[in-house]
Amino acid sequence: DAGVIQSPRHEVTEMGQEVTLRCKPISGHNSLFWYRQTMMRGLELLIYFNNNVPIDDSGMPEDRFSAKMPNASFSTLKIQPSEPRDSAVYFCASSLAWGQGIEKLFFGSGTQLSVL
Amino acid sequence: DAKTTQPPSMDCAEGRAANLPCNHSTISGNEYVYWYRQIHSQGPQYIIHGLKNNETNEMASLIITEDRKSSTLILPHATLRDTAVYYCIVSSTGNQFYFGTGTSLTVIP
Repeated sequence: DAGVIQSPRHEVTEMGQEVTLRCKPISGHNSLFWYRQTMMRGLELLIYFNNNVPIDDSGMPEDRFSAKMPNASFSTLKIQPSEPRDSAVYFCASSLAWGQGIEKLFFGSGTQLSVL
Repeated sequence: DAKTTQPPSMDCAEGRAANLPCNHSTISGNEYVYWYRQIHSQGPQYIIHGLKNNETNEMASLIITEDRKSSTLILPHATLRDTAVYYCIVSSTGNQFYFGTGTSLTVIP
């Protein structure tokens, strides 16, 4: 398996622009997670989906952030409008059996976002 | 908030065992101990987890004290590729992970 695939690997944009980050989870995994990592705050959970349904979005910083999972093999995280403080590495992770006693996450390589 | 306490950094000589401690004095009976690591510029990687008993896999061993208030991750023969930030996480089934700041392990040639 190719693992969790994220795109783009790097994104540089200007303040006010819309940014869309993409994630393809491992085939067969039923849970998908979006994390954000910064030096100041470390790794933070933004939102997670179970069977394509958003379960917990309490970590989404504000209305500028939205996430969708239209099917089991694809998810997007959108920021509109983007701000410099959104600059971070955004990770997507998937899990085969979250909530069944083996909370094993598989992470993608991340998207390095820079908002100028 | 993270329920664990880890030293911010450690060094280990290449080829020697690396012993990474973690305190989790407020752990509940239904909470597991998980270890992940993050190599620079990569996403975190699962290493091992346990509830009460010691565990071993191809990557590491996990030693949990009898009172479950602390644990140690052991990398038996550290290599340069084991240089990473190691996260100790306490969580119950279905609950979210709080990664905390971890221990930055440097393996020295």
